[in-house]
This record gives sequence, structure tokens and C-alpha cells, in this order.
Amino acid sequence: ETGVTQSPTHLIKTRGQQVTLRCSSQSGHNTVSWYQQALGQGPQFIFQYYREEENGRGNFPPRFSGLQFPNYSSELNVNALELDDSALYLCASSWGLAGLTDTQYFGPGTRLTVL
Amino acid sequence: GIQVEQSPPDLILQEGANSTLRCNFSDSVNNLQWFHQNPWGQLINLFYIPSGTKQNGRLSATTVATERYSLLYISSSQTTDSGVYFCAVGSNSGYALNFGKGTSLLVTP
Repeated sequence: ETGVTQSPTHLIKTRGQQVTLRCSSQSGHNTVSWYQQALGQGPQFIFQYYREEENGRGNFPPRFSGLQFPNYSSELNVNALELDDSALYLCASSWGLAGLTDTQYFGPGTRLTVL
Repeated sequence: GIQVEQSPPDLILQEGANSTLRCNFSDSVNNLQWFHQNPWGQLINLFYIPSGTKQNGRLSATTVATERYSLLYISSSQTTDSGVYFCAVGSNSGYALNFGKGTSLLVTP
């Protein structure tokens, strides 16, 4: 059973650019959630994908968007990058909705720096 | 959304000491989890504990749902216990886990 993987591990971008982060969920899981973790803070929920459809969104602007593919892997896209987007982006997979399931498995994260 | 408050924010212990971390939440929850984040950023699930008491080795947790708090106990701490401990709760909407700001623990030799 493979765990949750994310790519890339680190990324440096400049303001205004666009970025795509990728996540491969744990085998057998049908839900992927994305979180943003700023330095010194807890993870903040961005959105969740359940069976390829967005199912819940946190307080993030529309320039944060995502996709989930038939194999349940997922992408997070951020357009028009701002300095405050610098953070660790975490992907988590689960069987069933994230807020209800008894276990979410987190990937190692992608650290994004916006200059 | 549900507010989650953790205390203390920072904790320094000597190896072998015991500690108690607290999580208060503002509304009824159907999901409560404790996580440990290591220095490399990896979040590891410690307990799923919306109510009751569980134990896993030197760690145990208790949630009193009616009083809206949970406690994580670490006994005989080791340097490998260092990191940030997060409490996260899920509401009936099921959309997400709401995380607290964490307790940063440093265990010294």
C-alpha cells in the first residue's frame, strides 16, 4: 500500500506567476483535501474533492482551483501568485469526506516560496 | 466555522518528563484527531478520538465532548517526541478538519 505523495517538494515562483502542485492519494482512497499551512500556523482547509467533484471549500479566493482525476490523484492550481501564498501546501487523502472519516493520511507537502 | 484553541503554545521538557496538551473547541464535533508534525513538515495521525479515552504506548488521549475539550498525554517523553502537536476537529458538514495553531514541543536530552 503506497502512501500519499506530493510533487514537487520545493518550488520558487515570482509574484503574478501560476503554479500547479500535484498529489497522489493513498491506494483505495476516493477523497483528496488540500490545506495551506503558513509558517507558525495550523493547516487551513482550501478545498476537498470527492469522486472528482469539489465538495467543500474554505475561505480562499477563486484563483485557487483544483482537479481530481479518475485515479483519484489531484492538482492544486494557484493563479496570480501573491507573496502571502508562500506556505507549505499539504494534501491529504481519505476514504470518504475528510470531516467525517476516522483517518486522513497526509503527504509530505510542497513548500512554495513566492518572491 | 468551529474555533479550536490549543494550549500551551510552547513547551520545553527534559527527557523523561510527562506533559498534558489541551484542545478546546467551540461547538459540537463528530470528528476529533490529534496529529504530530515532525520538523520536516510531515503530519502523522496519532488518535481519532471524538469522545472517550484511547492509549497508544506512551501516548494517550481523552475527549470530553460535552465539555468541548480534549487532552493529549505524553508520558516519559523522548527527544523524538519533539515537533508540533495539532488538534483538528470536523463538523457535521464533513467538509474539512479545522486545525488549532498547535503546541510546539521541544524535548531536551
